[in-house]
Amino acid sequence: AQKVTQAQTEISVVEKEDVTLDCVYETRDTTYYLFWYKQPPSGELVFLIRRNSFDEQNEISGRYSWNFQKSTSSFNFTITASQVVDSAVYFCALSEAGLISYNTDKLIFGTGTRLQVFP
Amino acid sequence: KAGVTQTPRYLIKTRGQQVTLSCSPISGHRSVSWYQQTPGQGLQFLFEYFSETQRNKGNFPGRFSGRQFSNSRSEMNVSTLELGDSALYLCASSSTGGSYNEQFFGPGTRLTVL
Repeated sequence: AQKVTQAQTEISVVEKEDVTLDCVYETRDTTYYLFWYKQPPSGELVFLIRRNSFDEQNEISGRYSWNFQKSTSSFNFTITASQVVDSAVYFCALSEAGLISYNTDKLIFGTGTRLQVFP
Repeated sequence: KAGVTQTPRYLIKTRGQQVTLSCSPISGHRSVSWYQQTPGQGLQFLFEYFSETQRNKGNFPGRFSGRQFSNSRSEMNVSTLELGDSALYLCASSSTGGSYNEQFFGPGTRLTVL
């Protein structure tokens, strides 16, 4: 069964601290995609990154970095030198791309981690 | 390029009524998906439409239905509203549909059922 687990419900940090958001997934497909989305108070989900199951290279984009490890089924997200504007709910999501699932946009979301960054 | 738009943004209904929510995807996008977000259940997939055809459906009762028009705009309908239908309904669009796609989300419609 497909599932995404974000064990951290809420994290509070002080500005400039580094913070890592954990994501663990379950899937039987060998081909799948993992995503991170940010949901600010306005409610709109903002795409951050997509990673396919064959690409385990870590990625860095400015203060954001992602660590994908198939061996532990994890796709963790780190914010370096956090800022108040990073305060939001962050969702990890899975999209399966097996023979049956390929032609669908369906995303399976984790429960989200609320990040609060205090000045 | 304009983003995904959803109307109305806020809606208050009473139990037993029905409601229709609208979503206009990004110009050129042909796939539209709907999600329900509640504090208890989180973000759950409702259904997906591509070229006016429902391509995938989540585990929701038949009271939830949708459709897509030839211009890719989509509507979802909930009949016989229940208190538990109170939620933020999010619409997302992508260019061609498919698990690899980046989906662009709208601001959502917040439905309150009294």
